[in-house]
Amino acid sequence: SQTIHQWPATLVQPVGSPLSLECTVEGTSNPNLYWYRQAAGRGLQLLFYSVGIGQISSEVPQNLSASRPQDRQFILSSKKLLLSDSGFYLCAWSVKVVAFFGQGTRLTVV
Amino acid sequence: QQPVQSPQAVILREGEDAVINCSSSKALYSVHWYRQKHGEAPVFLMILLKGGEQKGHEKISASFNEKKQQSSLYLTASQLSYSGTYFCGPLEGPPPGGSEKLVFGKGTKLTVNP
Repeated sequence: SQTIHQWPATLVQPVGSPLSLECTVEGTSNPNLYWYRQAAGRGLQLLFYSVGIGQISSEVPQNLSASRPQDRQFILSSKKLLLSDSGFYLCAWSVKVVAFFGQGTRLTVV
Repeated sequence: QQPVQSPQAVILREGEDAVINCSSSKALYSVHWYRQKHGEAPVFLMILLKGGEQKGHEKISASFNEKKQQSSLYLTASQLSYSGTYFCGPLEGPPPGGSEKLVFGKGTKLTVNP
C-alpha cells in the first residue's frame, strides 16, 4: 500500500534561518507531488506541484522553493524564513486523480 | 482558478442536515471532496466524475452538475464526527494533464453540536 512520510511534525525557527521540509512517498511510482500551506483557520494554498523529477510548477511567488531530486521525494526549502512563512505545511501525492496528504509540518517562525 | 465554496461556516445540532456547495468558473472533469479535522491533514471523502454522478460515504453524499460547473455535498442526519472543514477540489481534465494541478476551495467549517 502507498504511504506518505512528512517530517518534522513541528518546527520552530527564527526569522532569517533556512528551511528544509522533506516528503517521501512509498508504494507508488511517478506520482504527482504537491506542497500546500495552510495559515491558521484558513484554506489550502497550493505552493508547488511536480509531475516528475526536476519538474516543478510554482503557484505563488514567495520566499520558498521546491525540488524533486528523486521520483518519490519532494523538498520544500527557504534560504531565509519570514514571519509570514508560519503555517501548516502539507505534502500530498496523487496518481490517477485522488490526492493523499501527509500529516503536515506545523512551522512557527519567531 | 480557486473554486468558490458556500457557506463559509455552518453550525448544526446532531441529526440535522446540511448542504455545502462548490462552484467553478471553468468547465470541470471531476470534483473531489475532502474533510479536515482540526489539527490534522485532509482526508479524501469521494470523487465525482462527469455525468451527474452521485456518490456516498457514510451518510454523506454528493452530486456533480458539470453543465453548471457545480458540486454539492449533502450531510444527512449529521453526527458529531462530521465536524471539520470540508474542501472541494475541482479538476479541469482527465489525467495526466488535466489533473496535475489540485486547487482547493477555501473550505466550509462544519460544527456539529450535541
